[in-house]
Amino acid sequence: EDQVTQSPEALRLQEGESSSLNCSYTVSGLRGLFWYRQDPGKGPEFLFTLYSAGEEKEKERLKATLTKKESFLHITAPKPEDSATYLCAVHGDSNYQLIWGAGTKLIIKP
Amino acid sequence: GAVVSQHPSWVICKSGTSVKIECRSLDFQATTMFWYRQFPKQSLMLMATSNEGSKATYEQGVEKDKFLINHASLTLSTLTVTSAHPEDSSFYICSARETLNEKLFFGSGTQLSVL
Repeated sequence: EDQVTQSPEALRLQEGESSSLNCSYTVSGLRGLFWYRQDPGKGPEFLFTLYSAGEEKEKERLKATLTKKESFLHITAPKPEDSATYLCAVHGDSNYQLIWGAGTKLIIKP
Repeated sequence: GAVVSQHPSWVICKSGTSVKIECRSLDFQATTMFWYRQFPKQSLMLMATSNEGSKATYEQGVEKDKFLINHASLTLSTLTVTSAHPEDSSFYICSARETLNEKLFFGSGTQLSVL
């Protein structure tokens, strides 16, 4: 069964304190792993798609990496405006839809 | 990037009334759109997959007669919550899959409160 687990559930950091969010997955035939950011009361906002192990993508203070079992979203020197819930989802061969993790709520304190 | 417009952003209605939510892809064609609901502190739960010109595919446990989905064009899908009850109060989000590259883009969501 395809499954996605995100950890930690919540993460509080001081501004400038770098850290990583984890997305562990099991899927038959990974077609893509997606990272989204969601602010309260809004729909998810697309960040990255990763397709194969070893792939990395960067956007401003965020960097996403992918292995055969998990993906990390590294955040470097975060700012308060990076506070949001970060969602991970996978798309596999056996499923036409995305399988979503429960998200990590990131809070950056000034 | 591609924009998906969802309207209204919030709605309050009386129990027993029907509410229609619209989801439009503004600058791309979307053969497939998805409807989700999200309860506080929980992940997105797929309700149904909407394909242009055909009947929607509903996930297990989602009543198709209660949540009517219409996808009449490549840029518009609507979700109608019929005879809404307080337990239908939730955050409803749509997404549209761009036909060309299959990327998924989300609307901003609709907060439904049924009194």
